[in-house]
Amino acid sequence: DAMVIQNPRYQVTQFGKPVTLSCSQTLNHNVMYWYQQKSSQAPKLLFHYYDKDFNNEADTPDNFQSRRPNTSFCFLDIRSPGLGDAAMYLCATSREGPGGRGYTFGSGTRLTVV
Amino acid sequence: AQKVTQAQTEISVVEKEDVTLDCVYETRDTTYYLFWYKQPPSGELVFLIRRNSFDEQNEISGRYSWNFQKSTSSFNFTITASQVVDSAVYFCALSLYGGATNKLIFGTGTLLAVQP
Repeated sequence: DAMVIQNPRYQVTQFGKPVTLSCSQTLNHNVMYWYQQKSSQAPKLLFHYYDKDFNNEADTPDNFQSRRPNTSFCFLDIRSPGLGDAAMYLCATSREGPGGRGYTFGSGTRLTVV
Repeated sequence: AQKVTQAQTEISVVEKEDVTLDCVYETRDTTYYLFWYKQPPSGELVFLIRRNSFDEQNEISGRYSWNFQKSTSSFNFTITASQVVDSAVYFCALSLYGGATNKLIFGTGTLLAVQP
């Protein structure tokens, strides 16, 4: 089945130790998104790719970066995780075009910082 | 600016009760999409419904129904005869219609607890 896959499902990292979360898709969607969801809060968009065009939200900390080497994969890099970065990280994809088409979420990676 | 408000932070009901989750949105755009997502404790976001701004017809899917009223900028969600498996956080979200990318703007969510 076409889907969005996030690995790992759970990630524990040390304070200040770089960590990478991955997302892959078999939907061939042009757009990929990374959302951060802290406990008891709504998902918050960090950035998105339209093909290889990277778009950062204005309030996304510099500590967060992303790579999209090809259509299928997208990575979220946290350069120096702090305790406040503990959250669920959700990857999503959509086709280009008018809003609302084919918006598909992965199962998320729950990040713990110790 | 776009905004989604879910005023109900938590709702607790007893199984088989009907429950309505409220959603009010703000946008100056005339074309947009509205969504409801369910997030169980496992964390994944489960898509429930998408509605575009041109379609104000109410929709029913099994025990779920949605009432979209542009006049009041509301998109409310009703679960009939609730079940314990309905316990989850429910998010209402807005996506604008234009442009190549479709960012979702989420409300703060409503935690629904269905007691047996």
